[in-house]
Amino acid sequence: KNEVEQSPQNLTAQEGEFITINCSYSVGISALHWLQQHPGGGIVSLFMLSSGKKKHGRLIATINIQEKHSSLHITASHPRDSAVYICAASRSGNTPLVFGKGTRLSVIA
Amino acid sequence: DVKVTQSSRYLVKRTGEKVFLECVQDMDHENMFWYRQDPGLGLRLIYFSYDVKMKEKGDIPEGYSVSREKKERFSLILESASTNQTSMYLCASGIDGYTFGSGTRLTVV
Repeated sequence: KNEVEQSPQNLTAQEGEFITINCSYSVGISALHWLQQHPGGGIVSLFMLSSGKKKHGRLIATINIQEKHSSLHITASHPRDSAVYICAASRSGNTPLVFGKGTRLSVIA
Repeated sequence: DVKVTQSSRYLVKRTGEKVFLECVQDMDHENMFWYRQDPGLGLRLIYFSYDVKMKEKGDIPEGYSVSREKKERFSLILESASTNQTSMYLCASGIDGYTFGSGTRLTVV
């Protein structure tokens, strides 16, 4: 079992839909990251959070430390949101991030 | 604007060739990482380095080596390229949050 699990693996949505991507982790973490990779593009960081909720535009990330679960929400989805979304966990100490396998999102107009 | 620069966007090499993938960062980061990214497998850590002349094996180091002679430069070496090393290779630097290069898509024929 991977230390960081994402669901779903693939997601297709209609423009305007509310989208949720889930991330569960089994390791102790100091922070949880959400990253985005557009087709053919590099990976960019969206959020780093260790508790509660963060919001940036139409993107919202939440984390429940007790349940070892995080969600990424996209409100009023748009075709330009089509990308791979990756969850990653920071463990304590100077150790590499542990990555989930990513969720491929396609938003159709 | 901070950057992680990978020397080549696309490479085609022959089986058995020695291949060098270069990565340079301008953020004075001590930590640098090499990943490969394959469909359905996500990002897998090949090697990482926390300091000059220091290297640590990641999850899939077989068939690869690395060199870190200067803080800003971290090179990935495929000693004898094989077709199963055809992949997207991504360099990253940072501690809690990573900055990624744009990737090198390597095809071994």
